[in-house]
Amino acid sequence: AQTVTQSQPEMSVQEAETVTLSCTYDTSESDYYLFWYKQPPSRQMILVIRQEAYKQQNATENRFSVNFQKAAKSFSLKISDSQLGDAAMYFCAYRRLQGGSEKLVFGKGTKLTVNP
Amino acid sequence: EAEVAQSPRYKITEKSQAVAFWCDPISGHATLYWYRQILGQGPELLVQFQDESVVDDSQLPKDRFSAERLKGVDSTLKIQPAELGDSAMYLCASSLGRSSLRYEQYFGPGTRLTVT
Repeated sequence: AQTVTQSQPEMSVQEAETVTLSCTYDTSESDYYLFWYKQPPSRQMILVIRQEAYKQQNATENRFSVNFQKAAKSFSLKISDSQLGDAAMYFCAYRRLQGGSEKLVFGKGTKLTVNP
Repeated sequence: EAEVAQSPRYKITEKSQAVAFWCDPISGHATLYWYRQILGQGPELLVQFQDESVVDDSQLPKDRFSAERLKGVDSTLKIQPAELGDSAMYLCASSLGRSSLRYEQYFGPGTRLTVT
């Protein structure tokens, strides 16, 4: 079974600083996607960044970037120039095709606090 | 910008009662998902629809949970009878494509269920 592990239940960062959230996953598949989702308090979950497993280049979206290490099955998220609005739960997720459907499996999340 | 709508946002019910949640996906989205998110954990898929057909309900407790998407548009998730352990956030998501990794899942704001 595919599993996603986020080993940091909570992280904190000073405003304008950089923070890295860790994620490891377990799979025997070769074709899959990895995601980081952000869930602010009492607000809906939104996609932060995605990475296709076949792409060697790490994905980047503005202040958000990933370090994708396929052999190590590691997928960390780096947030640069942290802002107060970045405070949220962050979920790492793995997605692959399984039979006639695609399966999205989430980690348990990391709560990020941004200190002014 | 189009969003996934869910209602109600909050629901308190007594155990053994019936409860229902409604989801309206983004217009034109073929695939609809229901997730359950227990406090402090990541979402877990309960059921996935492609148009009006169920493609994955392997994690749905079928003795008490049911889901339908009769016309392939909006969907209802029902619990009867509710148990204390059902207290959780119920998230609905939709995506444009069918059985593809390419299409992003868009999440609704969720329904927070408390069973007393």
